[in-house]
Amino acid sequence: QSVLTQPPSASGTPGQRVTISCSGSSSNIGSNTVNWYQQLPGTAPKLLIYSNSRRPSGVPDRFSGSKSGTSASLAISGLQSEDEADYYCAAWDDSLDGLVFGGGTKLTVL
Amino acid sequence: EVQLVESGGGLVQPGRSLRLSCAVSGFTFDDYAMHWVRQAPGKGLEWVAYIISIGGSIRYADSVRGRFTISRDNAKNSLYLQMNSLRAEDTALYYCAKDLLNGVGIDYWGQGTLVTVSS
Repeated sequence: QSVLTQPPSASGTPGQRVTISCSGSSSNIGSNTVNWYQQLPGTAPKLLIYSNSRRPSGVPDRFSGSKSGTSASLAISGLQSEDEADYYCAAWDDSLDGLVFGGGTKLTVL
Repeated sequence: EVQLVESGGGLVQPGRSLRLSCAVSGFTFDDYAMHWVRQAPGKGLEWVAYIISIGGSIRYADSVRGRFTISRDNAKNSLYLQMNSLRAEDTALYYCAKDLLNGVGIDYWGQGTLVTVSS
């Protein structure tokens, strides 16, 4: 059971907008920033969004992040087939004194 | 270009030890905190341990505290994970990862080294 809660799966058709949620608590998302990672099959995770809503250079602006209270979300607009991957949220947890991840969301492009 | 290259994984019997290494390049190693994160086959990401850049602050996940030890050698640009009293549930791909700064979160990941604990 992960500390951060994500839906196990999400799907959309090419060109559509998809949102993935990440729910936490006051000790993690509520008091620290959220990062999002994309993991393509057979590869290491890649940073997609940091500090809730910032994109590293090279990440398309189709990807956006937001945070409100103890929840965060990742939005992918203009969905493409290459976006099919597992997506994870993460945040520092002050009570556990460690980094916590969501369980991951498998995104399928139909 | 940031590079993180793990080594030291392999097949080990339950109760035995293993030491993982991570050689880094492409950034000033002693400016950044580092992490180990693992991923069991077919499962999600699990944070294992964290070590600050300088000053010795170290944190562990409850699942490994007392059995695993994270360390770094800034002169050698290397990160280590000493794993003792290994259990079957420690079987995973172990990633070395760089922090954005000191505790903000991870920005770069290595490709991982596989640890299999089995008799």
